[in-house]
Amino acid sequence: DTEVTQTPKHLVMGMTNKKSLKCEQHMGHRAMYWYKQKAKKPPELMFVYSYEKLSINESVPSRFSPECPNSSLLNLHLHALQPEDSALYLCASSQDMGGSSYNEQFFGPGTRLTVL
Amino acid sequence: DAKTTQPPSMDCAEGRAANLPCNHSTISGNEYVYWYRQIHSQGPQYIIHGLKNNETNEMASLIITEDRKSSTLILPHATLRDTAVYYCIVPPRQLTFGSGTQLTVLP
Repeated sequence: DTEVTQTPKHLVMGMTNKKSLKCEQHMGHRAMYWYKQKAKKPPELMFVYSYEKLSINESVPSRFSPECPNSSLLNLHLHALQPEDSALYLCASSQDMGGSSYNEQFFGPGTRLTVL
Repeated sequence: DAKTTQPPSMDCAEGRAANLPCNHSTISGNEYVYWYRQIHSQGPQYIIHGLKNNETNEMASLIITEDRKSSTLILPHATLRDTAVYYCIVPPRQLTFGSGTQLTVLP
Protein backbone atom coordinates (compact mmCIF):
# COMPACT_ATOMS: atom_id res chain seq x y z
CA ASP A 1 0.00 0.00 0.00
CA THR A 2 1.75 3.18 -1.20
CA GLU A 3 -1.08 5.55 -0.48
CA VAL A 4 -1.41 8.53 1.79
CA THR A 5 -5.04 9.26 2.57
CA GLN A 6 -6.47 12.55 3.77
CA THR A 7 -9.87 13.40 5.14
CA PRO A 8 -11.99 15.33 4.52
CA LYS A 9 -11.48 16.17 0.86
CA HIS A 10 -13.23 19.50 1.30
CA LEU A 11 -13.91 21.56 4.43
CA VAL A 12 -15.75 24.83 4.88
CA MET A 13 -15.51 26.44 8.29
CA GLY A 14 -16.23 29.71 10.00
CA MET A 15 -13.62 31.75 11.81
CA THR A 16 -14.91 30.62 15.23
CA ASN A 17 -15.06 26.92 14.41
CA LYS A 18 -12.71 24.17 15.52
CA LYS A 19 -12.00 21.45 13.01
CA SER A 20 -9.35 18.81 12.31
CA LEU A 21 -7.68 17.47 9.21
CA LYS A 22 -6.58 13.86 9.21
CA CYS A 23 -3.82 12.04 7.36
CA GLU A 24 -2.99 8.33 7.35
CA GLN A 25 -0.30 6.12 5.82
CA HIS A 26 0.47 2.43 6.18
CA MET A 27 3.86 2.29 4.50
CA GLY A 28 5.78 2.14 7.77
CA HIS A 29 7.12 5.64 7.17
CA ARG A 30 8.46 7.39 10.25
CA ALA A 31 8.41 10.98 8.95
CA MET A 32 5.19 12.86 8.20
CA TYR A 33 4.65 16.37 6.89
CA TRP A 34 2.04 19.09 6.55
CA TYR A 35 2.15 21.57 3.67
CA LYS A 36 -0.04 24.52 2.77
CA GLN A 37 -0.62 25.44 -0.87
CA LYS A 38 -2.32 28.60 -2.07
CA ALA A 39 -3.70 28.81 -5.58
CA LYS A 40 -1.05 28.96 -8.33
CA LYS A 41 1.76 28.77 -5.75
CA PRO A 42 4.10 25.91 -4.80
CA PRO A 43 3.48 23.96 -1.58
CA GLU A 44 4.97 25.49 1.57
CA LEU A 45 6.23 23.30 4.40
CA MET A 46 4.43 23.81 7.72
CA PHE A 47 5.40 20.98 10.07
CA VAL A 48 7.50 17.82 10.10
CA TYR A 49 7.14 14.92 12.51
CA SER A 50 9.92 12.39 12.85
CA TYR A 51 9.29 9.25 14.90
CA GLU A 52 6.13 10.85 16.26
CA LYS A 53 7.94 13.89 17.58
CA LEU A 54 7.64 17.38 16.16
CA SER A 55 10.91 17.99 14.36
CA ILE A 56 10.25 21.14 12.34
CA ASN A 57 7.76 23.99 12.79
CA GLU A 58 8.17 26.58 10.04
CA SER A 59 6.96 29.44 12.26
CA VAL A 60 3.35 28.49 11.73
CA PRO A 61 0.72 30.50 13.70
CA SER A 62 -0.63 28.77 16.79
CA ARG A 63 -4.13 28.56 15.30
CA PHE A 64 -2.69 25.52 13.49
CA SER A 65 -1.88 22.71 15.93
CA PRO A 66 -0.36 19.46 14.65
CA GLU A 67 -0.62 16.12 16.39
CA CYS A 68 0.91 12.73 15.66
CA PRO A 69 -0.99 10.13 17.75
CA ASN A 70 1.01 7.24 16.29
CA SER A 71 3.36 6.46 13.45
CA SER A 72 0.53 6.06 10.92
CA LEU A 73 -1.59 9.08 11.76
CA LEU A 74 -1.12 12.82 11.52
CA ASN A 75 -3.70 15.41 12.47
CA LEU A 76 -3.88 19.15 11.98
CA HIS A 77 -6.19 20.90 14.43
CA LEU A 78 -7.63 24.19 13.27
CA HIS A 79 -9.01 26.93 15.50
CA ALA A 80 -9.89 30.58 14.94
CA LEU A 81 -8.68 30.55 11.36
CA GLN A 82 -8.75 33.56 9.07
CA PRO A 83 -10.06 33.73 5.50
CA GLU A 84 -6.46 33.98 4.24
CA ASP A 85 -5.88 30.48 5.64
CA SER A 86 -8.07 29.11 2.87
CA ALA A 87 -5.82 26.78 0.86
CA LEU A 88 -5.08 23.20 -0.10
CA TYR A 89 -3.51 21.38 2.84
CA LEU A 90 -1.26 18.52 1.84
CA CYS A 91 0.04 15.69 3.95
CA ALA A 92 3.11 13.65 3.00
CA SER A 93 5.21 10.86 4.44
CA SER A 94 8.69 9.52 3.89
CA GLN A 95 10.72 6.60 5.17
CA ASP A 96 12.49 8.78 7.72
CA MET A 97 14.55 11.92 8.13
CA GLY A 98 17.63 10.12 9.24
CA GLY A 99 21.07 11.64 9.02
CA SER A 100 21.67 14.24 6.36
CA SER A 101 19.93 12.47 3.52
CA TYR A 102 16.57 13.23 2.01
CA ASN A 103 13.98 10.54 1.38
CA GLU A 104 11.40 10.94 -1.32
CA GLN A 105 7.98 11.87 -0.07
CA PHE A 106 4.60 10.40 -0.85
CA PHE A 107 1.81 12.95 -0.89
CA GLY A 108 -1.89 12.65 -0.18
CA PRO A 109 -4.52 14.28 -2.39
CA GLY A 110 -5.00 17.17 0.02
CA THR A 111 -7.87 18.82 1.87
CA ARG A 112 -9.35 21.90 0.22
CA LEU A 113 -10.11 24.29 3.12
CA THR A 114 -12.32 27.35 2.83
CA VAL A 115 -12.58 29.73 5.78
CA LEU A 116 -15.56 32.04 5.72
CA ASP B 1 20.45 24.92 0.30
CA ALA B 2 21.02 24.84 -3.45
CA LYS B 3 18.66 27.09 -5.39
CA THR B 4 17.02 25.85 -8.59
CA THR B 5 15.86 27.77 -11.64
CA GLN B 6 13.29 26.46 -14.11
CA PRO B 7 11.45 28.04 -17.04
CA PRO B 8 7.93 29.00 -15.95
CA SER B 9 6.18 27.21 -18.80
CA MET B 10 6.71 24.87 -21.75
CA ASP B 11 4.54 23.25 -24.39
CA CYS B 12 5.04 19.83 -25.93
CA ALA B 13 3.16 17.97 -28.65
CA GLU B 14 1.53 14.72 -27.62
CA GLY B 15 3.71 11.72 -28.43
CA ARG B 16 6.89 13.78 -28.58
CA ALA B 17 9.61 13.91 -25.95
CA ALA B 18 9.30 16.61 -23.31
CA ASN B 19 12.63 17.95 -22.10
CA LEU B 20 12.40 20.01 -18.94
CA PRO B 21 15.57 21.85 -17.90
CA CYS B 22 16.67 22.86 -14.44
CA ASN B 23 19.61 24.95 -13.34
CA HIS B 24 21.15 24.19 -9.92
CA SER B 25 24.55 25.82 -10.19
CA THR B 26 25.10 26.01 -6.41
CA ILE B 27 24.58 22.30 -5.81
CA SER B 28 26.96 20.62 -3.39
CA GLY B 29 28.84 17.45 -4.15
CA ASN B 30 26.63 15.18 -2.07
CA GLU B 31 23.24 16.74 -2.89
CA TYR B 32 20.78 14.82 -5.01
CA VAL B 33 18.49 16.34 -7.62
CA TYR B 34 14.85 15.35 -7.22
CA TRP B 35 11.94 15.83 -9.57
CA TYR B 36 8.28 15.93 -8.59
CA ARG B 37 5.20 16.85 -10.55
CA GLN B 38 1.80 18.13 -9.52
CA ILE B 39 -1.22 17.59 -11.69
CA HIS B 40 -3.87 20.25 -11.16
CA SER B 41 -5.44 20.10 -7.67
CA GLN B 42 -3.70 16.84 -6.77
CA GLY B 43 -0.81 16.16 -4.39
CA PRO B 44 2.73 16.26 -5.79
CA GLN B 45 4.08 13.00 -7.16
CA TYR B 46 7.68 11.84 -6.95
CA ILE B 47 9.19 11.14 -10.38
CA ILE B 48 12.91 10.44 -10.14
CA HIS B 49 16.14 11.50 -8.49
CA GLY B 50 19.86 11.33 -9.21
CA LEU B 51 23.29 12.32 -7.96
CA LYS B 52 25.68 12.34 -10.90
CA ASN B 53 24.82 9.45 -13.18
CA ASN B 54 21.92 9.51 -15.57
CA GLU B 55 18.87 7.72 -14.24
CA THR B 56 15.83 6.12 -15.85
CA ASN B 57 12.66 4.64 -14.47
CA GLU B 58 9.24 3.79 -15.83
CA MET B 59 8.16 7.42 -15.72
CA ALA B 60 11.11 9.41 -16.99
CA SER B 61 14.83 9.82 -17.55
CA LEU B 62 17.09 12.24 -15.73
CA ILE B 63 20.20 13.62 -17.40
CA ILE B 64 22.65 15.42 -15.12
CA THR B 65 25.52 17.39 -16.61
CA GLU B 66 29.04 16.37 -15.73
CA ASP B 67 29.58 19.51 -13.62
CA ARG B 68 26.19 18.82 -11.94
CA LYS B 69 25.11 22.42 -12.38
CA SER B 70 22.08 21.53 -14.44
CA SER B 71 19.81 18.63 -15.28
CA THR B 72 17.07 17.72 -17.72
CA LEU B 73 14.02 15.63 -17.06
CA ILE B 74 12.89 13.74 -20.14
CA LEU B 75 9.40 12.35 -20.64
CA PRO B 76 10.04 10.21 -23.72
CA HIS B 77 6.52 10.11 -25.15
CA ALA B 78 4.44 12.82 -23.55
CA THR B 79 0.69 12.27 -23.18
CA LEU B 80 -2.10 14.66 -22.26
CA ARG B 81 -2.00 13.20 -18.74
CA ASP B 82 1.55 14.53 -18.33
CA THR B 83 0.24 18.09 -18.27
CA ALA B 84 1.36 19.29 -14.83
CA VAL B 85 3.71 21.55 -12.92
CA TYR B 86 7.15 19.95 -12.72
CA TYR B 87 9.40 20.79 -9.79
CA CYS B 88 13.17 20.34 -9.71
CA ILE B 89 14.40 20.28 -6.11
CA VAL B 90 17.75 19.92 -4.37
CA PRO B 91 16.74 19.14 -0.81
CA PRO B 92 18.97 18.76 2.17
CA ARG B 93 16.73 17.26 4.80
CA GLN B 94 13.47 18.92 3.92
CA LEU B 95 11.58 19.84 0.81
CA THR B 96 11.39 23.41 -0.47
CA PHE B 97 9.49 23.78 -3.69
CA GLY B 98 10.46 26.42 -6.22
CA SER B 99 8.06 27.84 -8.80
CA GLY B 100 8.39 24.86 -11.17
CA THR B 101 7.62 24.55 -14.88
CA GLN B 102 4.05 24.31 -16.14
CA LEU B 103 4.21 21.69 -18.89
CA THR B 104 1.27 21.66 -21.25
CA VAL B 105 1.01 18.69 -23.60
CA LEU B 106 -0.93 19.68 -26.69
CA PRO B 107 -3.01 17.26 -28.78
